[in-house]
Amino acid sequence: RKEVEQDPGPFNVPEGATVAFNCTYSNSASQSFFWYRQDCRKEPKLLMSVYSSGNEDGRFTAQLNRASQYISLLIRDSKLSDSATYLCVVRSYNTDKLIFGTGTRLQVFP
Amino acid sequence: SAVISQKPSRDICQRGTSLTIQCQVDSQVTMMFWYRQQPGQSLTLIATANQGSEATYESGFVIDKFPISRPNLTFSTLTVSNMSPEDSSIYLCSVVGIRTGGYEQYFGPGTRLTVT
Repeated sequence: RKEVEQDPGPFNVPEGATVAFNCTYSNSASQSFFWYRQDCRKEPKLLMSVYSSGNEDGRFTAQLNRASQYISLLIRDSKLSDSATYLCVVRSYNTDKLIFGTGTRLQVFP
Repeated sequence: SAVISQKPSRDICQRGTSLTIQCQVDSQVTMMFWYRQQPGQSLTLIATANQGSEATYESGFVIDKFPISRPNLTFSTLTVSNMSPEDSSIYLCSVVGIRTGGYEQYFGPGTRLTVT
C-alpha cells in the first residue's frame, strides 16, 4: 500500500464549480500535511498547509481527519487557472522527509 | 519563501556521461533536499544534502551514482553519474527556509534531463 494515496483523476469541471479532492495516508505517526500544486512542466508549489482544525485560504479549504487518516481539499468557484495537478503531501513525525502522493489532475473548462 | 535557482534548466546527455546540477538559494537554509520526478510520476526523495558532511541517501539511491556536495548553507550540487536512459527525469532541489518559521518546503524550478 502506498504511504499517500490519491485519486489520480482527471477531474474535469466547468468554471464556477466546486470540486473536492481526497487523500489518505497510511502512517498514523504523520505530523504535518500539505497540499501542493504542480502545473505542467513546472515545479510543485506550496498551496497550503493543512491544520487539525481545518483551514481556509480564499476559495480553498483544507480539512484533516486524523482518526481516519484522511485529508481533503475543496476548491470553490473554480477558475480556468486552477487547472493543475494537486499533490497531497505528508511529513512523518520526527523526520524532515515529505512523502508525496501521485497527484490529482484537475482540468477546469469554460 | 526562499528563491531557488537551478542550473542547467535542461540538458540532453549521452549514456555513460555525467551531469552536475547546481542549486542556489538566495538565503541561508538549514535543510536542502534533492528529488527526482520521473515522467508521469510523483516526486521521490533522493537524498538530504547535509552542510559540511556526507549526504543522507534514501533507499535505492547511492552516493556513487548520485554524489552530492553542500559546501555552504546556500548552495548544493547533485551529480548524475554514468547516466542511462532510465535516469531521464526532472531533478529538483528543495529547501526548508529558516525564515518561514514553520515547516514549509519549497522547490527549485527543476532540471529536465534526457539521456539518449
